[in-house]
Amino acid sequence: GENVEQHPSTLSVQEGDSAVIKCTYSDSASNYFPWYKQELGKGPQLIIDIRSNVGEKKDQRIAVTLNKTAKHFSLHITETQPEDSAVYFCAANIPTSYGKLTFGQGTILTVHP
Amino acid sequence: DADVTQTPRNRITKTGKRIMLECSQTKGHDRMYWYRQDPGLGLRLIYYSFDVKDINKGEISDGYSVSRQAQAKFSLSLESAIPNQTALYFCATSELNEQFFGPGTRLTVL
Repeated sequence: GENVEQHPSTLSVQEGDSAVIKCTYSDSASNYFPWYKQELGKGPQLIIDIRSNVGEKKDQRIAVTLNKTAKHFSLHITETQPEDSAVYFCAANIPTSYGKLTFGQGTILTVHP
Repeated sequence: DADVTQTPRNRITKTGKRIMLECSQTKGHDRMYWYRQDPGLGLRLIYYSFDVKDINKGEISDGYSVSRQAQAKFSLSLESAIPNQTALYFCATSELNEQFFGPGTRLTVL
């Protein structure tokens, strides 16, 4: 089955700096890559996703890049703010899994004011 | 009101006890999932259901069972709880790719 590795496990940045979280996946058939943000005491919530026919996608301060050849994808957060502090999960989905997601291990992002 | 609700939100129980965690959704989605979250291990799939008559094991189903009572309700049971089942449990629903998570149940098994 699919395996997703996520790094780093923790990331600490100063407000205004950029943050990058990286994930690799094992199954070349994977074609959907979402990123979820989990705030303290809440369930994860989708913040951005990308499909395998696209190399990059942006939404205001967040962007995701995908390298299908290397089987890795990354989340980029620019101009970080304290409210970006959360746990971030990457995930991957293969078409034959009918919507099942395989998640990475999570990254605890802390943005210091 | 929240689209995906979980009860209870917190539960402390003892080894050997039977526990049921409940999930309800008002989103009208057919697909429902149960995950467990442990520090450093991410979210791991326990069971999933694509409709009321469809139940499937996930990657860590041993020690757990589920019941899909209706489209809107999906329950997770621990028949005989053990300490290494102490974790945060999430229910989720989906229509297509995006999954919508409940607020979680923190379960402690002593």
